[in-house]
Amino acid sequence: DIQMTQSPSAMSASVGDRVTITCRASQGFGNNIAWFQQKPGKVPQRLIYVVSSLQGGVPSRFSGSGSGTEFTLTISSLQPEDFATYYCLQHNSFPLTFGQGTRLEIK
Amino acid sequence: EVQLVESGGGLVQPGGSLRLSCEASGFIISNYWMTWVRQAPGKGLEWVATINKNGIDKNYVDSVKGRFTISRDSATNSLYLQMNSLRAEDTAMYYCASQFSSPIHYWGQGKMVTVSS
Repeated sequence: DIQMTQSPSAMSASVGDRVTITCRASQGFGNNIAWFQQKPGKVPQRLIYVVSSLQGGVPSRFSGSGSGTEFTLTISSLQPEDFATYYCLQHNSFPLTFGQGTRLEIK
Repeated sequence: EVQLVESGGGLVQPGGSLRLSCEASGFIISNYWMTWVRQAPGKGLEWVATINKNGIDKNYVDSVKGRFTISRDSATNSLYLQMNSLRAEDTAMYYCASQFSSPIHYWGQGKMVTVSS
């Protein structure tokens, strides 16, 4: 099984900050990783798929990168609506596994 | 408009059964891998089960193997999750979701399943 270790588990940042969230996999795989944003009481929304492809309608301040065992989600300039919880998901092999989540709060 | 509309959740006693349904409109689910994801109250996301395009290959998280069955019906364009021998730890919001690798991707609104006596 591929374990996804997401860091940090929580962080605080200010509007305009650049933020990076990392997922490290217990073993290397290809490009089957996605990133999701979830706001309280809402359905998760996909931001990024296959490492770096931006979901339609998602602002370009969101980007994804990485390979092998380390993948990152970057928000280039935080906006008020970006404060939420973020999850990575590897869907390269079963069982599919999510990271534990990163709660992004306003500083 | 593309939608995934879930139904069938609710309160059930430990050991009981429930069937979740996820009806798709605006796209054909048999053209995609389809998945169930759950989220226990205050917790993170957990993958539950996936059925692939051929409708034959199915995969489950270990904690539900032998108790849950994923299926789909092309005639109704619906995805299902039959949940038997339910346990308190199955209490969660259950979401259906379409193929994670596809450029188009949708989630249902979620259905709460509560297992309690």
